[in-house]
Amino acid sequence: IAGITQAPTSQILAAGRRMTLRCTQDMRHNAMYWYRQDLGLGLRLIHYSNTAGTTGKGEVPDGYSVSRANTDDFPLTLASAVPSQTSVYFCASSAEEGTFYGYTFGSGTRLTVV
Amino acid sequence: GDSVTQMEGPVTLSEEAFLTINCTYTATGYPSLFWYVQYPGEGLQLLLKATKADDKGSNKGFEATYRKETTSFHLEKGSVQVSDSAVYFCALKDTEKLIFGTGTRLQVFP
Repeated sequence: IAGITQAPTSQILAAGRRMTLRCTQDMRHNAMYWYRQDLGLGLRLIHYSNTAGTTGKGEVPDGYSVSRANTDDFPLTLASAVPSQTSVYFCASSAEEGTFYGYTFGSGTRLTVV
Repeated sequence: GDSVTQMEGPVTLSEEAFLTINCTYTATGYPSLFWYVQYPGEGLQLLLKATKADDKGSNKGFEATYRKETTSFHLEKGSVQVSDSAVYFCALKDTEKLIFGTGTRLQVFP
């Protein structure tokens, strides 16, 4: 079934540790995104990539980094986790060429930093 | 910059009641507009969309009309079900990305 796979589903992480959230899509979408979802704040864009080899900063990029070595994968790395990064993280993708049909979302990663 | 404003929730309704969730936007030009739904423990799913003024998006009994005069895209359903309980997000597309509202939680009771 075509879609987005995120891993892990959930994680408890000690503050100061490094963590990479994985995101893989099999739809050959050229654009990919990372959002965090926090109660009362909705979804806020962290980083995005319009095509393989390029990335851009979103609304809340500090403390996060991304890479886009190929079309399918878009990992999000927390270099040194802090409690304020406790959130639910969603990866999404879209086909930006031609008609825009919206985003396809993964099921999310629930991260707790203690 | 572009933004989306949604009514605060939760919206609590009895089954078969009429639903309206308000959404207004601020944008330059005429962006495409979307409603997404998030069921408990899941990611967001596209519910409906409209790409130009006066377009009506519809899906699963939900409807929303793109009103440029009032810069609104209110979500409506004539008769809600318990299974409609979820969080609903209004969004617009700027040149590069979707901008989401803060979400409105809908709770439907039997």
